[in-house]
Amino acid sequence: AQRVTQPEKLLSVFKGAPVELKCNYSYSGSPELFWYVQYSRQRLQLLLRHISRESIKGFTADLNKGETSFHLKKPFAQEEDSAMYYCALGGTGRRALTFGSGTRLQVQP
Amino acid sequence: DAGVIQSPRHEVTEMGQEVTLRCKPISGHDYLFWYRQTMMRGLELLIYFNNNVPIDDSGMPEDRFSAKMPNASFSTLKIQPSEPRDSAVYFCASSLNTKGAFFGQGTRLTVV
Repeated sequence: AQRVTQPEKLLSVFKGAPVELKCNYSYSGSPELFWYVQYSRQRLQLLLRHISRESIKGFTADLNKGETSFHLKKPFAQEEDSAMYYCALGGTGRRALTFGSGTRLQVQP
Repeated sequence: DAGVIQSPRHEVTEMGQEVTLRCKPISGHDYLFWYRQTMMRGLELLIYFNNNVPIDDSGMPEDRFSAKMPNASFSTLKIQPSEPRDSAVYFCASSLNTKGAFFGQGTRLTVV
């Protein structure tokens, strides 16, 4: 069975502070990890995928298979980063994504 | 491409009525997913299709829920009869290969 854990429901930081949104996963096969962002009452938008090793809007995430983690990081938070962030897990043989419960990031001025 | 298109955006219906939600995936995508989002349960996968064929419907909560994909460019999710506990945002998403799923704007369903 696949499982995604996002331990923090809410993360509140001040503008300019570093951000780390935690994600841990459980999966017996070869995982594919994604981060999605959802701004208020909008669609979920794909932010990052681990296979691309890209940086989007200043966010990065590294897959750590030893710790089964895929934490999302940004060195300097901006107010416009305030949103819900979801970690999602897919894998070989199963295209459907399993989502974590989400973390609300609140960036205060 | 306009992305995944869902209709209606909002639906308010009375308990017992039939509700049909519609989705047009991104052209060329071979997977289509239906998710439900609630405050209590977060994002739940209801069903997904590959090349118009249902692959896994284990997330469909009850027989009151059904989904079809008659062709590569259209899918429906039907609830009959609807109940207040079905109130949620229903998202459709599509994907190709391992590039991740792309979501529609969602349908906010309220059953009164």
